[in-house]
Amino acid sequence: GAVVSQHPSWVICKSGTSVKIECRSLDFQATTMFWYRQFPKQSLMLMATSNEGSKATYEQGVEKDKFLINHASLTLSTLTVTSAHPEDSSFYICSTAGYSNQPQHFGDGTRLSIL
Amino acid sequence: AQKITQTQPGMFVQEKEAVTLDCTYDTSDPSYGLFWYKQPSSGEMIFLIYQGSYDQQNATEGRYSLNFQKARKSANLVISASQLGDSAMYFCAMREGRESDMRFGAGTRLTVKP
Repeated sequence: GAVVSQHPSWVICKSGTSVKIECRSLDFQATTMFWYRQFPKQSLMLMATSNEGSKATYEQGVEKDKFLINHASLTLSTLTVTSAHPEDSSFYICSTAGYSNQPQHFGDGTRLSIL
Repeated sequence: AQKITQTQPGMFVQEKEAVTLDCTYDTSDPSYGLFWYKQPSSGEMIFLIYQGSYDQQNATEGRYSLNFQKARKSANLVISASQLGDSAMYFCAMREGRESDMRFGAGTRLTVKP
């Protein structure tokens, strides 16, 4: 069964809207989770590392005020795209962390379309 | 700097034949893990196979095997007896050390022809 649950799967909204994406770890505690962004026909690019109880760590070039990450519990991390614009349209996907010998488990992703 | 390189943007294979997807990597960390994921058009990331840097033998998982050549820093995925359902994007990824994030290659789009 699924290890990570991500919602919603699809979002279509107007420009200027803020969109929240949830990523839940099922049956285990996740102190660290990762948020990736994927443009069509491209690879996954790490946006930020979500840390339970502390501030997220953002990759270079990712606007922290644009992409708000909250990891308030050991089972839930959220990504909020604030005042979304068409250029924010993309596929967003979260995953668990782990040791080097463990695969990351991914949510099913969220397709965000900003009109 | 790009640490994972997949040089084949697209590959075609005939159904029931084997195909090799190339992946090279770069790291100075002696402890690392190499992973392959499959991403169908629906978008989910499906874990296929793992190879640890200290593993002596090549990893195998059903029809998937990983040709690990440590000195050459390559970790090619071999899919045997290709099926139509194997058509997807395939990503090679690497993780270094403890609880670090996983970095992905550019991906290879595999198309299996009937």
